[in-house]
Amino acid sequence: QVQLQESGPGLVKPSETLSLTCTVSGGSVSTVSDYYWSWIRQPPGRGLEWIGNIYYSGRTSYNPSLKSRVTISLDTSKNQFSLKLSSVSASDTAMYYCARGTIAVAGTWGQGTLVIVSS
Amino acid sequence: QSVLTQPPSVSAAPGQKVTISCSGSSSNIGNNYVSWYQQFPGTAPKLLIYENNKRPSGIPDRFSASKSGTSATLGITGLQTGDEADYYCGTWDSSLSAGVFGGGTKLTVL
Repeated sequence: QVQLQESGPGLVKPSETLSLTCTVSGGSVSTVSDYYWSWIRQPPGRGLEWIGNIYYSGRTSYNPSLKSRVTISLDTSKNQFSLKLSSVSASDTAMYYCARGTIAVAGTWGQGTLVIVSS
Repeated sequence: QSVLTQPPSVSAAPGQKVTISCSGSSSNIGNNYVSWYQQFPGTAPKLLIYENNKRPSGIPDRFSASKSGTSATLGITGLQTGDEADYYCGTWDSSLSAGVFGGGTKLTVL
């Protein structure tokens, strides 16, 4: 059964780039399938926000409110996918989750990683 | 402000039934599948319902859901104290070409 694990710095300075990686086990990010690989975040005490996803082909979709700052990519050699969010501010402080599912369903989630934006 | 609208909180007694609504528009709920998630404090959300009314393996049939027009509803019967959690609806928005979630509903089992 597929498992996902987020990793990356827990503290990022304002205006810098947040970089996270999701390592996938029990499944392949490059296999032709109906699965999408997603990033979702949750600010402390608040609701879920969809960030974006990537298909095995490399096709991406992004939240319009974040699109200018977000890049999601695949690393098939490491069976990982990653998130880069540029020009971060305190409002980007959140628990970041990676997930696998269909285009609009997150069926399997990672445990999440907390990223704090602070100087 | 979330694209999908959920009540902030609902409550009911143990053993009773509760419903949680999720309201959207034709660009999201009206023309796409709805999913529901359960989240306990300090843990990742868990998929409860997908494709409007299907339960993943392991989800008890006390959890059910439906969709009508631009709204969806999650129902939980035989409430248990262990059902106390936050519940989120989600779907795809064809106009935004993006996934969207409701603001979440906190369920209290009195």
